[in-house]
Amino acid sequence: DTAVSQTPKYLVTQMGNDKSIKCEQNLGHDTMYWYKQDSKKFLKIMFSYNNKELIINETVPNRFSPKSPDKAHLNLHINSLELGDSAVYFCASSREPLAEGVNEQFFGPGTRLTVL
Amino acid sequence: KNQVEQSPQSLIILEGKNCTLQCNYTVSPFSNLRWYKQDTGRGPVSLTIMTFSENTKSNGRYTATLDADTKQSSLHITASQLSDSASYICVVSGSINNDMRFGAGTRLTVKP
Repeated sequence: DTAVSQTPKYLVTQMGNDKSIKCEQNLGHDTMYWYKQDSKKFLKIMFSYNNKELIINETVPNRFSPKSPDKAHLNLHINSLELGDSAVYFCASSREPLAEGVNEQFFGPGTRLTVL
Repeated sequence: KNQVEQSPQSLIILEGKNCTLQCNYTVSPFSNLRWYKQDTGRGPVSLTIMTFSENTKSNGRYTATLDADTKQSSLHITASQLSDSASYICVVSGSINNDMRFGAGTRLTVKP
């Protein structure tokens, strides 16, 4: 059983389109995250939700909107895609926020987004 | 300047050799420090997690150390294997506002 799953694995789209990436975890965790990893492999936190409430919102364009319908899901919707959005997006989860304890964080396999 | 600096940026070693990766941070107040291994094309996997009071933690051939006074951590890999080839990422969490800071990673290549 996959602990943290993301769909799709690959996404190729045109500039200006709107797209969504879905994430689900079956670990019973309360906290979920979205990360962006650019071509230089630098991993950056974008958002974090704890019990469906936003707790981390880094400097990310308004075109990115996370949605958490329940604790097991955190989806990422991106409007008006730009070339610079091309990257690998990782979803992750942990039992509680990482700053609050030594609980492990589990990552999904990533979604490679290519904007043409 | 990034609050978490890792060195070296990349490292090539021969199979069976040991190596040590460094992580220096300025995040304060400090909550915990994590080391992750990321294989090419996959998500990061947690190796060790250390809090302020811990100065050593092992996970198989991986041993992490933490000096909270000097704000330095190291990850020592013993008897390296080809499968250790990956990026190793240091992540430091602060205790205010769920602050999380990522290092740029060290790219390790183990050659036969």
